[in-house]
Amino acid sequence: GIQVEQSPPDLILQEGANSTLRCNFSDSVNNLQWFHQNPWGQLINLFYIPSGTKQNGRLSATTVATERYSLLYISSSQTTDSGVYFCADSHAGGTSYGKLTFGQGTILTVHP
Amino acid sequence: GAGVSQSPSNKVTEKGKDVELRCDPISGHTALYWYRQSLGQGLEFLIYFQGNSAPDKSGLPSDRFSAERTGGSVSTLTIQRTQQEDSAVYLCASSSSPGKYFGPGTRLTVL
Repeated sequence: GIQVEQSPPDLILQEGANSTLRCNFSDSVNNLQWFHQNPWGQLINLFYIPSGTKQNGRLSATTVATERYSLLYISSSQTTDSGVYFCADSHAGGTSYGKLTFGQGTILTVHP
Repeated sequence: GAGVSQSPSNKVTEKGKDVELRCDPISGHTALYWYRQSLGQGLEFLIYFQGNSAPDKSGLPSDRFSAERTGGSVSTLTIQRTQQEDSAVYLCASSSSPGKYFGPGTRLTVL
């Protein structure tokens, strides 16, 4: 199956700092998504980004499918950005389409 | 609009008892998924419903786990004869496109 590796496992920032989170995949990228799990456990879909670059406010993501990795950029971090960031992907098509495989996550802590 | 809802939010049960967890997906979403998240771990796929197709049950960890989706909407995940290792947060998600939307989860504790 797909192997998803995230780095770094933990990240501590001072408010206002920028950061880059990385996700590497063992197989071709098909349905790559980034999620944020807040301290209350709620998973929020940040980006669906199988290729290219997207931006949403202070967050942006870039996927280089040919090199099997994706990056999530957080600029001017705020304490509300704290939580766990997951990337996930699935096989293309068929019954495997919906079966996301998640990385182990990056735990982000932003201090005021 | 309403997001994915799950009930109960917390469930404490005794080892050996059966439990039922409920998921109400976003209206109109044809796909529904169940995942499990153990303490400090990533998410583990359990089962996937897509429209009227046969569900993909390949992630269910044992035959004590089953799920159904009635009328293409609400889904129930049933765990029979619960064990302590079943303790986790059970998350439901729905989608009508590749992006998935997760519910708040049910925290299951098996004593």
